[in-house]
Amino acid sequence: DTGVSQDPRHKITKRGQNVTFRCDPISEHNRLYWYRQTLGQGPEFLTYFQNEAQLEKSRLLSDRFSAERPKGSFSTLEIQRTEQGDSAMYLCASSLEGGQYEQYFGPGTRLTVT
Amino acid sequence: AQSVTQPDIHITVSEGASLELRCNYSYGATPYLFWYVQSPGQGLQLLLKYFSGDTLVQGIKGFEAEFKRSQSSFNLRKPSVHWSDAAEYFCAGLFSGGYNKLIFGAGTRLAVHP
Repeated sequence: DTGVSQDPRHKITKRGQNVTFRCDPISEHNRLYWYRQTLGQGPEFLTYFQNEAQLEKSRLLSDRFSAERPKGSFSTLEIQRTEQGDSAMYLCASSLEGGQYEQYFGPGTRLTVT
Repeated sequence: AQSVTQPDIHITVSEGASLELRCNYSYGATPYLFWYVQSPGQGLQLLLKYFSGDTLVQGIKGFEAEFKRSQSSFNLRKPSVHWSDAAEYFCAGLFSGGYNKLIFGAGTRLAVHP
C-alpha cells in the first residue's frame, strides 16, 4: 500500500494559463475524490468518482474545472483560464466501496496563480 | 443544513498537558464522524472514526474521541500532549444522502509549548 499520490506537489502559474493535476489513488480503491482547501479553512468537496463515472460535482466546480478518471484508476483535474482565486491546495482522496467510508488523502497540490 | 463546527481556531497547551478539541455537527441524524490531522505542507491523516456502537473510540497516536448524541458533539482528547502533536486538526462528517462527501470544520490549530 503506497498511499495516495499527487503530482505535482507545487504549481505556480500565471493568470489565464491552464493547469492539470494528477492523482493516483490507493490501488484497490474504486472511489476517488477531489477537495479544495484555502488558507485557514477546511477542505471543501469538489467532485467524486466511482470507478470511471463522475457521480457528483459541487457547485464550486465551475465550468473552468474538469475532472476525469478515464480507466477508473488515476484521475486528472484541469483548471482552464486560471484566476487568482483558484490559488489553493487541491487534495485528492480515495476510498473502497463497501468499506467503512474512510477516505485516505494524498499530500495535495499547492497551486499559486500570479 | 449539514455542517461541522470547530469552535476553537487556535489552542495552545504545554507539553505533557491534556488536550480536548471540540467538534459539533448539525444534522437530524447521526453522521459518520472523523478526526484528521494535517501537518504543515502535508495531506490529511486519519486519526479515528465513529460510525456506531461504543461512543468512546480510540485512534492512532494516543488520541481518543467521545461521541455525545445529546450534545451533537465529537470531541477529540489526548491525556498527555507531545511537541510533535503540534498541527492542525480537522473534524469531518459524512452525512446520509450518499455518504460520499466529507464536510469539514474549519480546523483547530494546536500549538505545544515546551
